[in-house]
Amino acid sequence: NAGVTQTPKFQVLKTGQSMTLQCAQDMNHNSMYWYRQDPGMGLRLIYYSASEGTTDKGEVPNGYNVSRLNKREFSLRLESAAPSQTSVYFCAIQRDRDYGYTFGSGTRLTVV
Amino acid sequence: QKEVEQNSGPLSVPEGAIASLNCTYSDRGSQSFFWYRQYSGKSPELIMFIYSNGDKEDGRFTAQLNKASQYVSLLIRDSQPSDSATYLCAVNPDRGSTLGRLYFGRGTQLTVWP
Repeated sequence: NAGVTQTPKFQVLKTGQSMTLQCAQDMNHNSMYWYRQDPGMGLRLIYYSASEGTTDKGEVPNGYNVSRLNKREFSLRLESAAPSQTSVYFCAIQRDRDYGYTFGSGTRLTVV
Repeated sequence: QKEVEQNSGPLSVPEGAIASLNCTYSDRGSQSFFWYRQYSGKSPELIMFIYSNGDKEDGRFTAQLNKASQYVSLLIRDSQPSDSATYLCAVNPDRGSTLGRLYFGRGTQLTVWP
């Protein structure tokens, strides 16, 4: 997944704990996205950023916040983790609207 | 609501056969359509995109789009065991802007047996 780096790759949290998932790109793309993937549910958009300094809610934003720190980095924060947030989280970048995404390698999060 | 529907499968075909994967979408104004392949435990990777009605071929892969029927498909010719994966259909309904949010189907699991 050259170009998109996600950290950490795995994480176990206790209910109520907080954490930040990091995403960084080196492809100089404007658009960045956070998705979650659950068995049988497909990929669902959490938040996105069309450009540096802007962020917007996607389909399932509740329980999450994001920061587009600069053009390279887009972080996803769970303030008070819940078991329902157990999922695989993918960051994706996009050159422009007519191009597909390049995905990061994902973060597998378990909340117990 | 922007829905993208795929047959969940699993779809099982013998090596050398044609695998046919189907997808329908609800937003009639959708502009661009993508097929991703996802191996178990890995991230999705783009294999095809199509914008215009008709067929688009790339090697063993052919994407077909029919906007009037709101239908997009992926054909894999001469299927190989290495094609065994989950295939995700994605649709971009955004128009009139530079934004390109993708809405994904739940995926079709394909198994190609030797």
